[in-house]
Amino acid sequence: QVQLVESGGGLVKPGGSLRLSCAASGFSFSDSYMNWIRQAPGKGLEWVARIYIGASTIYYADSVKGRFTISRDNARKSLFLQMNSLRVEDTAVYYCAREGELRQFDYWGQGTRVTVSS
Amino acid sequence: SYVLTQSPSVSVAPGETARISCGGDNIESKGVHWYQQRPGQAPVLVIYYDDSRPSGIPERFSGSNSGNTATLTITRVEAGDEADYYCQVWDSYSGHYVFGSGTKVTVL
Repeated sequence: QVQLVESGGGLVKPGGSLRLSCAASGFSFSDSYMNWIRQAPGKGLEWVARIYIGASTIYYADSVKGRFTISRDNARKSLFLQMNSLRVEDTAVYYCAREGELRQFDYWGQGTRVTVSS
Repeated sequence: SYVLTQSPSVSVAPGETARISCGGDNIESKGVHWYQQRPGQAPVLVIYYDDSRPSGIPERFSGSNSGNTATLTITRVEAGDEADYYCQVWDSYSGHYVFGSGTKVTVL
């Protein structure tokens, strides 16, 4: 069955960095567009970043552009999110999600929690 | 950027029908997807591309999209349907994804 397992979350000070990982299994990772989506405490879902097959095209939400970098390793079936210059408002649960053919998010991980606080 | 508008909450008695709306400019031209998120859990896709149901989702869940409003309908509501529901579209202009603010469904 499809599994997405995020890791790498934790507590970091403002201005710090963190690298999230997402291990995929149960589907053809190299043929799938992948995304990061986050949810601040008590808030709604916010799309963060998207990476095409082969990493040829990448999109970022305006709120993270220039600070976050999405990448993938198809051989290791892994998705990454390098987060630099972290702000208090980046505090959230971060989900990785597979994108289906009709631009829906058909599979989600369980999420990893990132807390940015001094 | 494209904006999706959802009402904050809907209350419904067990066995009745819940209708959750998602408003957007000419939203009928876009494919709308819906997610259910129970407390403490990851979101689950319940309707994709306006009105299609993924395998494993009960027939009680249905969707429609017309004009400036997409609607998720849950018939014969059960206690287990109590959750937050989010609509989502792809904004072709920006290449970004957009979520609605979410609707909390409370089963009385």
